[in-house]
Amino acid sequence: GESVGLHLPTLSVQEGDNSIINCAYSNSASDYFIWYKQESGKGPQFIIDIRSNMDKRQGQRVTVLLNKTVKHLSLQIAATQPGDSAVYFCAENEGFQKLVFGTGTRLLVSP
Amino acid sequence: GAVVSQHPSWVICKSGTSVKIECRSLDFQATTMFWYRQFPKQSLMLMATSNEGSKATYEQGVEKDKFLINHASLTLSTLTVTSAHPEDSSFYICSARKMLASTDTQYFGPGTRLTVL
Repeated sequence: GESVGLHLPTLSVQEGDNSIINCAYSNSASDYFIWYKQESGKGPQFIIDIRSNMDKRQGQRVTVLLNKTVKHLSLQIAATQPGDSAVYFCAENEGFQKLVFGTGTRLLVSP
Repeated sequence: GAVVSQHPSWVICKSGTSVKIECRSLDFQATTMFWYRQFPKQSLMLMATSNEGSKATYEQGVEKDKFLINHASLTLSTLTVTSAHPEDSSFYICSARKMLASTDTQYFGPGTRLTVL
């Protein structure tokens, strides 16, 4: 269903640390997952995606892990930079139906 | 690339007026575009799915006569908020899915901030 939250969970890290952002999804039939980054006042920006037939996918400085057994998705950001500060949303999709977004996690990176 | 633009980026209007927001896919064709609404510190809420050449599909609770959607071409969808009221003030974001895409990756526009006085 839709995700609504009044208080975003926040992850605070130091510059250079690795960040791990977690997401629990609801639909066991979801077969496609995306991570988006949203900076203040802007639209979401695609980061990385993964299909349900995979459990790990790597991009530049980012890795997505999928655990279908417990319906859990994570985004790992290596060597986090101040420019990574934003709200991160996971989204799930079943067979080209609508994307369902998670509640989001705010990442704060301090120098 | 996959660039989506929105116009205007922000708008302030008086209560009772109508506002049109445009969403364009700049470097790809999109048979399907989506309109979302986002309140502060909240996630994106899908309002409607816009298909080129056909009527939009609205989510439950979204008034189709208030939020008019037109998807007249493969690169343009418009959202018109009719008779806007202060409670319609929000951040409206569109997204587009590439034609013949093998995945449901949606590419988002930069959003439009609507303030109704």
